[in-house]
Amino acid sequence: EAQVTQNPRYLITVTGKKLTVTCSQNMNHEYMSWYRQDPGLGLRQIYYSMNVEVTDKGDVPEGYKVSRKEKRNFPLILESPSPNQTSLYFCASSLLPQGIVRTQEQYFGPGTRLTVT
Amino acid sequence: TQLLEQSPQFLSIQEGENLTVYCNSSSVFSSLQWYRQEPGEGPVLLVTVVTGGEVKKLKRLTFQFGDARKDSSLHITAAQPGDTGLYLCAGEGSWGKLQFGAGTQVVVTP
Repeated sequence: EAQVTQNPRYLITVTGKKLTVTCSQNMNHEYMSWYRQDPGLGLRQIYYSMNVEVTDKGDVPEGYKVSRKEKRNFPLILESPSPNQTSLYFCASSLLPQGIVRTQEQYFGPGTRLTVT
Repeated sequence: TQLLEQSPQFLSIQEGENLTVYCNSSSVFSSLQWYRQEPGEGPVLLVTVVTGGEVKKLKRLTFQFGDARKDSSLHITAAQPGDTGLYLCAGEGSWGKLQFGAGTQVVVTP
């Protein structure tokens, strides 16, 4: 089954304790992205990756890191989480970046709900 | 700053009624996508509209892209409880970047 998986689905942690949220897709997609979703603000892009070893900042990259060492995996790293990073996080992938093929569908993972106390 | 404004923020209707959700912006988009998100899941793409004035139908859902490609609407005819969810619009700007609206929560009660 074609899918994007994220782990963990739920995480409660304390300020300053480094954490990693994993994301994996089995569709051989080039493009992967991380979003956070907050009430009233919609989905905001954190980082994206056009291909292996190619990553770039989105709209809200502060406090986050990513890496793309393999095509299928795109982990999100919070080196020193803070309470303002409490949010619902989504990983997404598409075959190619949206701008290359107009009707590209972006596939989202099920989300990771992170609480930082 | 939210580039895409969705209205209303919340909509509660009875089964069988019609509803319309709006997505407005001052920016021009190359294309616009509509997603539906259910609790505990990620957004799922419903449709992409590309041409100004384009109308697409998906069963009881009708999507329209404004002539100037700055706004869009989603109309649901004879809503059913299965239509309940958070509806998100996303406009495609330069370099294929998607900008999402905050969403409209639709609740359809039997």
